[in-house]
Amino acid sequence: KNQVEQSPQSLIILEGKNCTLQCNYTVSPFSNLRWYKQDTGRGPVSLTIMTFSENTKSNGRYTATLDADTKQSSLHITASQLSDSASYICVAGAGSYQLTFGKGTKLSVIP
Amino acid sequence: GAVVSQHPSWVICKSGTSVKIECRSLDFQATTMFWYRQFPKQSLMLMATSNEGSKATYEQGVEKDKFLINHASLTLSTLTVTSAHPEDSSFYICSARIGQGVQPQHFGDGTRLSIL
Repeated sequence: KNQVEQSPQSLIILEGKNCTLQCNYTVSPFSNLRWYKQDTGRGPVSLTIMTFSENTKSNGRYTATLDADTKQSSLHITASQLSDSASYICVAGAGSYQLTFGKGTKLSVIP
Repeated sequence: GAVVSQHPSWVICKSGTSVKIECRSLDFQATTMFWYRQFPKQSLMLMATSNEGSKATYEQGVEKDKFLINHASLTLSTLTVTSAHPEDSSFYICSARIGQGVQPQHFGDGTRLSIL
């Protein structure tokens, strides 16, 4: 069964600090790993997409890493801002568009 | 670019009512659209995949007669929840994809459906 586990479930950090979110996945055949940001009551917005051969991808202050051998990914947020408060969802892709979503990590950035 | 518009954003209606949700790709043609359901603090669960001009493919456990999907054009897909009941209350989100292969899915802002 395809699964995506994220940790921590929730996280509170001070504005300006860095943080790292973790994702473990079991998906077969593994194709790609995505990170999305979802604001409360809104649809997810794509942050990064990595194919199985990529190790890292950046999008501004967001940097995602992928270790396909250990089936782990992380999302690092640098110099956090209040607007970064949201749920961050890890998504593992099998084939061309079969996606398995994690439950997300709820990040709260406080002043 | 790649904007997906979903309407309505919030619906409250009586049990037994049918509700239609629209999903439009505003600035691109979507070869494939997807419908998801999300319960509080849970992950998005794929309900069905629809391609323009063909019947939708439903995930296991999703009743096709309950959740009617119409994908009449490359920019519009609709989800109709027929004879809705309180257990159908959820957050419904559509997404659209351009082309084939590993492509981003562009999500709408969702529709919160509350059945009384």
